[in-house]
Amino acid sequence: DTAVSQTPKYLVTQMGNDKSIKCEQNLGHDTMYWYKQDSKKFLKIMFSYNNKELIINETVPNRFSPKSPDKAHLNLHINSLELGDSAVYFCASSQREWEQYFGPGTRLTVT
Amino acid sequence: KQEVTQIPAALSVPEGENLVLNCSFTDSAIYNLQWFRQDPGKGLTSLLLIQSSQREQTSGRLNASLDKSSGRSTLYIAASQPGDSATYLCAVISRFGNEKLTFGTGTRLTIIP
Repeated sequence: DTAVSQTPKYLVTQMGNDKSIKCEQNLGHDTMYWYKQDSKKFLKIMFSYNNKELIINETVPNRFSPKSPDKAHLNLHINSLELGDSAVYFCASSQREWEQYFGPGTRLTVT
Repeated sequence: KQEVTQIPAALSVPEGENLVLNCSFTDSAIYNLQWFRQDPGKGLTSLLLIQSSQREQTSGRLNASLDKSSGRSTLYIAASQPGDSATYLCAVISRFGNEKLTFGTGTRLTIIP
């Protein structure tokens, strides 16, 4: 009965590779988000989708491309991975401006 | 641009004490404020959500207050337990921020048995 799930939990890859992280929510929410938590543990919004429509794109490099095939899914594809992309990526969902629920996170390590 | 600050960055208290964590934000035009806890290597667990029209919310031993006009919120933890040890994050949704959460830097709390 997991509310927000992400796969994979851990991702280790080499520089230059392309990788994807998947997120799914079963809460019936209409808004989904991607946040990045850096090495200093600071959390910052990357993208937000409302009913499959992109509404927030916070000056993220265009190597990062979110895709929302439906309201319950928001995937994150990253091209040409760089060392600085190493971080924990969190997916979240909410019903508009109400309480946000977070997934368990995906720890990405780029070597 | 909304900025959220949490002081102190780290706090250690003996078990059983009551404690207060502080959060301040620069833009009072918010929809709501949310408190989270994060255990090491884990995701975020939502603790309390205070809507902009509310002054406080309570859940068990936790009480969160909101003073929107002064841009402050506090999280009060009563009768602290070792299991309360975690990083506590506050975050706000600004009225003009497209529903994104702007996070504070967190307070790392350690309860000493």
